[in-house]
Amino acid sequence: QQQVKQSPQSLIVQKGGISIINCAYENTAFDYFPWYQQFPGKGPALLIAIRPDVSEKKEGRFTISFNKSAKQFSLHIMDSQPGDSATYFCAASIVGYGNKLVFGAGTILRVKS
Amino acid sequence: DTAVSQTPKYLVTQMGNDKSIKCEQNLGHDTMYWYKQDSKKFLKIMFSYNNKELIINETVPNRFSPKSPDKAHLNLHINSLELGDSAVYFCASGGSPGHYGYTFGSGTRLTVV
Repeated sequence: QQQVKQSPQSLIVQKGGISIINCAYENTAFDYFPWYQQFPGKGPALLIAIRPDVSEKKEGRFTISFNKSAKQFSLHIMDSQPGDSATYFCAASIVGYGNKLVFGAGTILRVKS
Repeated sequence: DTAVSQTPKYLVTQMGNDKSIKCEQNLGHDTMYWYKQDSKKFLKIMFSYNNKELIINETVPNRFSPKSPDKAHLNLHINSLELGDSAVYFCASGGSPGHYGYTFGSGTRLTVV
């Protein structure tokens, strides 16, 4: 059972454009929603995260939008740059003992210069 | 100074062999994890230890045995390696109050031939 569904699988955006990646979850007990960025040959790195008590969180060019009723959250990358080209993963967990992160399938983002 | 370090970075071995991957974190986190990333880049949790205690053990063949000598170290031993074990294995730490997100190591690419 895939608990976190991520789309699209791949995305090509022009430099300066907005990249949008969407995720949907099934388990209403999830209460922590991070996004990770992974470059080839590297481990995933935490980019930004949100708890369900807020609907939006912004850090620099990266914004998470969260819709609790729809059980959806998305990552927006403003002014996308070639250096943003990477694989992006959404994830979800239940905060507490263990805090097991369940990941989406990933989105390969390519920003064309 | 690397926060989560794994060794080796690459491991090529024959079917039937036994191998180990080592992980160390210097972040002071209580919880450590092993994740497997398959050829489609899907990340799936295998094990989690909290302060040397096994707390998450997903459906993983018992050929895989984690060991945590102290809360800063989590090793993974794999017996009787099979072709299907080929993947990238990531160690991570975190998931604690105040740091729910994980910090991942750079991964160990295991190739079974």
